[in-house]
Parts: sequence; structure tokens; C-alpha cells
Amino acid sequence: QSVVTQPPSVSGAPGQRVTISCTGSSSNIGAGYDVHWYQQLPETAPQLLIYANNNRPSGVPARFSGSKSGSSASLAITGLQAEDEADYYCQSYDSSLSAWVFGGGTKLTVL
Amino acid sequence: QITLKESGPTLVKPTQTLTLTCTFSGFSLRTNGVGVGWIRQPPGKALEWLALVYWDDDTRYGPSLKSRLTITKDTSKNQVVLTMTNLDPVDTATYYCARLYGSGNDWNWYFDLWGRGTLDTVSS
Repeated sequence: QSVVTQPPSVSGAPGQRVTISCTGSSSNIGAGYDVHWYQQLPETAPQLLIYANNNRPSGVPARFSGSKSGSSASLAITGLQAEDEADYYCQSYDSSLSAWVFGGGTKLTVL
Repeated sequence: QITLKESGPTLVKPTQTLTLTCTFSGFSLRTNGVGVGWIRQPPGKALEWLALVYWDDDTRYGPSLKSRLTITKDTSKNQVVLTMTNLDPVDTATYYCARLYGSGNDWNWYFDLWGRGTLDTVSS
């Protein structure tokens, strides 16, 4: 079980806005470590989606945004599209484990 | 263009040792501020960071598998090798290598580029 927690699933209709939470503790997100987000499309490798809490790599649409507050972070997707259907993972660092840690993943279903 | 590609056996017997190779191009592990890590994903499950090696030969290991892992790099071949000993069926997973990149303290770095992964099955 991961030290950073995500909801197993979220869903939304095309065009809607959805958010995915990533909840940690004082040894990871709450300690000030950055949060990064990855998108894993079906049967493919993860891809970096958001880095350092709220930065988008080149090529990632502005519909994707990240935020962080206290011991939690969130990924928001606006204008939901069918191709956004994927698994999403948050990642941070945990000082108690001395490890880079991933959340359990959230499956996004576009209705 | 930066690419990473994993290679290794697809089927391994329990108790054997797994050796995986990550061959990359488009960047150098001689460059300050770069690392290469291994992450695995059991079928239908979440990602788990396993190990990483930095440009300066420093290595880090995940706590749960630390005693079974060794990561090395061959800068001249642009390769990173992960060995995992004493395999068990629960080690069946897709194994990814990825570049660790960032600025400032390394605990804030992220895996910016990934290989396609290699599915390794542990079964007798």
C-alpha cells in the first residue's frame, strides 16, 4: 500500500472538469517535496504529465493542471476528452523511506 | 531524440536471478544532474520505484527490495543494468527504465522519459 493515496477511480462526461487527489503526509508531500503526475494510456508506458506541482512539459495541453497545498496535491483536467481515458499516477519523495514514491493510481473513465 | 529501451528475458524461474538492461540514447549519464531508474508495475497494479543510478555513480534503492537489487551503469555503452536475485512469482511485472531529471535537490526530480517496458514473468 502506497504512502500517497489516490482515489481508485473517477469519471466525467466529455467537456466536463474532473480532479484527482493525491494525499500524503508530513514525510512526503507535507514535507514540501514536489509532486509530479504521470498519464498511462491503455497498454502503454507512463508519460510525464505535470512536474514540480504545476508545470506542464512541452506538448501537454493546457487542459491539464496541477496544484499542491499542505499534504495534498490535485490534478485537474478541464474540457474532458475521450482520449483522456487513462490511469493517472502522482509521485513524490518520502523522507522516512528515502524513496521516490508513487500513488496507487486513479483510473479515469470518460462517460 | 531521447529514447530508452529495456531488454531481458521474458520468463524466469523462481529463485533465479533477473538481469535487465536499459539502453538509452540522446543523453549521457556523464551529465551532471541526470539519473536512470527502474520502476516496475505488476499486472493491473500500481507503479513501484526500484532503484536508480546517478551520473556520479551514486546509487539508491527502494526499501522493500533493497537486499535483492543491484544497479550499475556502463557509460561507454549508454546502458544501465538492474539485477534482481531470488525471484518469486510476485515479481512478475512490467519493468520500465526511465530518466530521472530535474534541478535543485534530487528528491524533487522526476521521471521525464520512459522506455516502453518489458514484461517479465516468474514461473516454473
